[in-house]
Amino acid sequence: GAVVSQHPSWVICKSGTSVKIECRSLDFQATTMFWYRQFPKQSLMLMATSNEGSKATYEQGVEKDKFLINHASLTLSTLTVTSAHPEDSSFYICSFSRAGAGSNQPQHFGDGTRLSIL
Amino acid sequence: AQTVTQSQPEMSVQEAETVTLSCTYDTSESDYYLFWYKQPPSRQMILVIRQEAYKQQNATENRFSVNFQKAAKSFSLKISDSQLGDAAMYFCAYRSPERGLKYIFGTGTRLKVLA
Repeated sequence: GAVVSQHPSWVICKSGTSVKIECRSLDFQATTMFWYRQFPKQSLMLMATSNEGSKATYEQGVEKDKFLINHASLTLSTLTVTSAHPEDSSFYICSFSRAGAGSNQPQHFGDGTRLSIL
Repeated sequence: AQTVTQSQPEMSVQEAETVTLSCTYDTSESDYYLFWYKQPPSRQMILVIRQEAYKQQNATENRFSVNFQKAAKSFSLKISDSQLGDAAMYFCAYRSPERGLKYIFGTGTRLKVLA
C-alpha cells in the first residue's frame, strides 16, 4: 500500500521557536495534501488543503501566518508552526491524495507529529 | 452543511464477540462516500472500510462490515469476532465530489476489547 512518511514523530521545544514538520509520499505522486490537528481524545480537525505548486487553502479560524504550508513538489509538503506557544501543542497529521484520485479513494495518512511547547 | 455524528464516545466488547459502532450523517448531496478509519494507540489512521452511496450492497472486509441505510443516513460498522488488536479509536468520515477531497470526520468512538 501507499506509504507516507511524516517526521519528526515527536518534538519538544521552547515557546517562541518555529517548528517544521515534513510529510513525504514515498511511492506515489500526491497532488493534494491535507494537514490536520488533533487534540487529545478528539477528532481530526482539517487545518488546510494544499495543491502542489499553489498556495494552501486554510480552513476558517486557522491562522495562515502561524501555520505555514509549503507543497513544493508532488512528494513533499511541510508545515511550519511559527513562533510556537503552549496552546499550539497538539498532534499534527498529514495526509495525501494520489494524483488523479477521486472522492471514492481514501487519503493516505502519516504517522503524525506530537508537538509539545514548553 | 454536512455533518457526521458518532453518538457513542466509548464502547466495550468481549474478545471474540461482535460489536456495532454507530454513525449518522446529514447531507443534501446525492453522490458521496463514507469511510471508517481506525486510529490505534500508535496514532496512524488506517482505513477499515468504505462505502459508495450509490451502491445498495453493504461493504464487507473480512471481519468488518457496514450497515448502510441511505434513507436513514446511517452508516454503522460491525466488527465480528473481535480481537485485542481491534482496540482503537474509530472515526466515521464523509466525502463528496462537491467537497473535493476533504473529509468530514465524526468525533470518534473508543473501542475497548476485553480479554
